[in-house]
Amino acid sequence: DAGVTQSPTHLIKTRGQQVTLRCSPKSGHDTVSWYQQALGQGPQFIFQYYEEEERQRGNFPDRFSGHQFPNYSSELNVNALLLGDSALYLCASSRWDLSKNIQYFGAGTRLSVL
Amino acid sequence: EDKVVQSPLSLVVHEGDTVTLNCSYEVTNFRSLLWYKQEKKAPTFLFMLTSSGIEKKSGRLSSILDKKELFSILNITATQTGDSAVYLCAVESPYNNNDMRFGAGTRLTVKP
Repeated sequence: DAGVTQSPTHLIKTRGQQVTLRCSPKSGHDTVSWYQQALGQGPQFIFQYYEEEERQRGNFPDRFSGHQFPNYSSELNVNALLLGDSALYLCASSRWDLSKNIQYFGAGTRLSVL
Repeated sequence: EDKVVQSPLSLVVHEGDTVTLNCSYEVTNFRSLLWYKQEKKAPTFLFMLTSSGIEKKSGRLSSILDKKELFSILNITATQTGDSAVYLCAVESPYNNNDMRFGAGTRLTVKP
């Protein structure tokens, strides 16, 4: 049973570029959440997708957008990259219909913006 | 504004020691508090706490929640070098389904 998988593991971009990160949820999960974790900080919630729609959004600018596909996998897109976007981007999956929900995390994508 | 504060930020102990990690929170409409262990990248789930005073236990790890005083502790007894990691506390709110607010974490280093 595959857990949450993310790709790529590492990425180097320059300021102003655009990036797409990918996530496949754990088998049986239908909800995907994205987090940004800066060095030495806890993860910060970006947004969450369920039924191919953005359900919740944290305090991130519109440069951060996402998508969920019919197979529940998800993408995170970041436009006009800034140096401050350098971070570990974590994807977490869960089931929407569970009242006591536990999110399972992938190993993340380390994004470096130069 | 909702917040989750963990203390200490870092801790160095020797194998065999017992440690207590703290997590205090101010969150509207609390649903649950979760503890995760992050060794390199992927946080791995340890405990979910929803009720006050009920200890959750897994091997040498245990955790308890106090909803009146708005805090939780994570205890690790007889620490081992493999316990070295960042321990994250997160609080979940029912009005933000699956939106978890994380603390900054406690970095635990266990020396042989």
